[in-house]
Amino acid sequence: DAKTTQPNSMESNEEEPVHLPCNHSTISGTDYIHWYRQLPSQGPEYVIHGLTSNVNNRMASLAIAEDRKSSTLILHRATLRDAAVYYCILRVPSNNNDMRFGAGTRLTVKP
Amino acid sequence: SQTIHQWPATLVQPVGSPLSLECTVEGTSNPNLYWYRQAAGRGLQLLFYSVGIGQISSEVPQNLSASRPQDRQFILSSKKLLLSDSGFYLCAWSPTHTEAFFGQGTRLTVV
Repeated sequence: DAKTTQPNSMESNEEEPVHLPCNHSTISGTDYIHWYRQLPSQGPEYVIHGLTSNVNNRMASLAIAEDRKSSTLILHRATLRDAAVYYCILRVPSNNNDMRFGAGTRLTVKP
Repeated sequence: SQTIHQWPATLVQPVGSPLSLECTVEGTSNPNLYWYRQAAGRGLQLLFYSVGIGQISSEVPQNLSASRPQDRQFILSSKKLLLSDSGFYLCAWSPTHTEAFFGQGTRLTVV
């Protein structure tokens, strides 16, 4: 099974950048790296995904290591509304694109 | 646009009673569908996923079952609820390897 490893928690100051790491050393060549975040009592929200190249969207940036064994979600300026649990998961096309979540990283943003 | 509906939002059921949670998706066809459960303060546990009508993959053997009677309908059921079935149940859909969309969830309390 494709698995990811993330720190349990991280803290950031408001308006500073945040780098959330994820290790996925067993990733296969066709597995996609996805990031979601979950606010309390809500369903997860898609943030970003990528395969090999770095990706940018309005919410965040995704930096993928050259060997693809790790990735980093970058929030360029953290706000209090970014406080959430962030999940890094692998989408495995060879296994019907199943989505298995780990414990994620709980991000605390301090004003 | 695509939307996902999940109901009810909250549910309190006695031990031994049956359960039926429904999830429907609009605006797409042949989506991959998923059921998750989240215990308080924990990550998301994948329960079932489906790649087509009548095709259900079970991830965790337990007293829950899932069915997909129509392309955009996914139902989670139980004949007899246990106390341990309490949790936050989430339905999700995804086209393929791209972003997944989650419903608002059902908070189930078994008493």
